[in-house]
Amino acid sequence: NAGVTQTPKFRVLKTGQSMTLLCAQDMNHEYMYWYRQDPGMGLRLIHYSVGEGTTAKGEVPDGYNVSRLKKQNFLLGLESAAPSQTSVYFCASSYSWPSTDTQYFGPGTRLTVL
Amino acid sequence: AQSVTQLDSHVSVSEGTPVLLRCNYSSSYSPSLFWYVQHPNKGLQLLLKYTSAATLVKGINGFEAEFKKSETSFHLTKPSAHMSDAAEYFCVVSNNAGNMLTFGGGTRLMVKP
Repeated sequence: NAGVTQTPKFRVLKTGQSMTLLCAQDMNHEYMYWYRQDPGMGLRLIHYSVGEGTTAKGEVPDGYNVSRLKKQNFLLGLESAAPSQTSVYFCASSYSWPSTDTQYFGPGTRLTVL
Repeated sequence: AQSVTQLDSHVSVSEGTPVLLRCNYSSSYSPSLFWYVQHPNKGLQLLLKYTSAATLVKGINGFEAEFKKSETSFHLTKPSAHMSDAAEYFCVVSNNAGNMLTFGGGTRLMVKP
């Protein structure tokens, strides 16, 4: 039981390049989330999904797109990376609503945009 | 909208002494509140949660927190710090719809031998 895994762990991009971050969970959770963590600001929700084929915007969705084609996977895309997107990205999943249920986090992806 | 403020960005204690990490929240409803811990270069892990049951909540590793509605606070405590407690701690509040969490800025706990 691997829990929540994220690929890659580190990435350096140049401004304007694109990339996709992959999140996978093996707990059969319905809900999945993408957060970004910046110093002194805690975690901020980018997008989330309440089930296969569904996605919704979070607090800071601009510049990002997501897809949930399979229940166990949640992809985060950056179409044209900007230096402001330099951050640590965390994926999480939960069985039910975040207000009542534990979120399980992946180890994070450290992204630098030059 | 809901918000959460962690009153100290850094807290330093000696091993074996009590830990107090302070959190105030703002909400127009009765929220769910959480404390998560993040060890260096790791993802976050749930310490404890309050979901309108008992106001004193016990979590893992000897931590507990008390929900005080009159003070809009949810402070995290532990009677005796251990070196392994050194980490960053996040106070978290849910929104009214229950589908999103708002994280505080974090408190870095340092434990001196």
